[in-house]
Amino acid sequence: DNVMTQSPESLAVSLGERATINCKSSQSVLYNSNNKNCLVWYQQKPGQPPRPLIYWASTRESGVPDRFSGSGSGTDFTLTISSLQAEDVAVYYCQQHSSTPLTFGGGTRVEI
Amino acid sequence: QVQLQQSGPGLVQPSQTLSLTCAISGDSVSSNIGAWNWIRQSPSRGLEWLGRTYYRSKWKNDYAVSMNGRITINPDTSKNQFSLQLNSVTPEDTAMYYCARIAVAVPPIWGQGTMVTVSS
Repeated sequence: DNVMTQSPESLAVSLGERATINCKSSQSVLYNSNNKNCLVWYQQKPGQPPRPLIYWASTRESGVPDRFSGSGSGTDFTLTISSLQAEDVAVYYCQQHSSTPLTFGGGTRVEI
Repeated sequence: QVQLQQSGPGLVQPSQTLSLTCAISGDSVSSNIGAWNWIRQSPSRGLEWLGRTYYRSKWKNDYAVSMNGRITINPDTSKNQFSLQLNSVTPEDTAMYYCARIAVAVPPIWGQGTMVTVSS
């Protein structure tokens, strides 16, 4: 299985400051057929399903604020929130879908 | 706009079969670029992928080994939906269950979730 390791487990950031979350996969998630990284970032708030923020490692979902950005390739990825807002308090997950079983990181809790 | 609408019972008795359905709008279960997944989430196991069905000239399925052969995911082309059946459930199968479109060539979409409790 492709193990996804997120760090840190939790993160406290001041309003307006930058938050950085890392995700490392044990195997590459690059899909050779289209040269895309099969890596999704999700935001989950209590009582809600995971909301996709970023797919293909760096493509922002429609409607996601541009303070959210994704970077990385191969096995190392980063989600950055450039200026944290109160509504960004949530748990963030990475997920790979380049191979089965699809696997998720353990989550990073972001707090103010 | 693609949407997934889940339905099914929230309470299942131990040893019985858990059955959920995910209705698709704005896309087709027979799409040759989509893949239709079931995922569950619990405090003890986190987010756990269960399996998927997809069409690539013929229907294919992939299942998590951890399901030990208890799982079946079927497409229903007449209703444009897909289903999950999990046999011989125990309290450890209590979780929030989600359906999702997750595939290489399309953005991910998730259903709203169904809380399933296994209890007598």
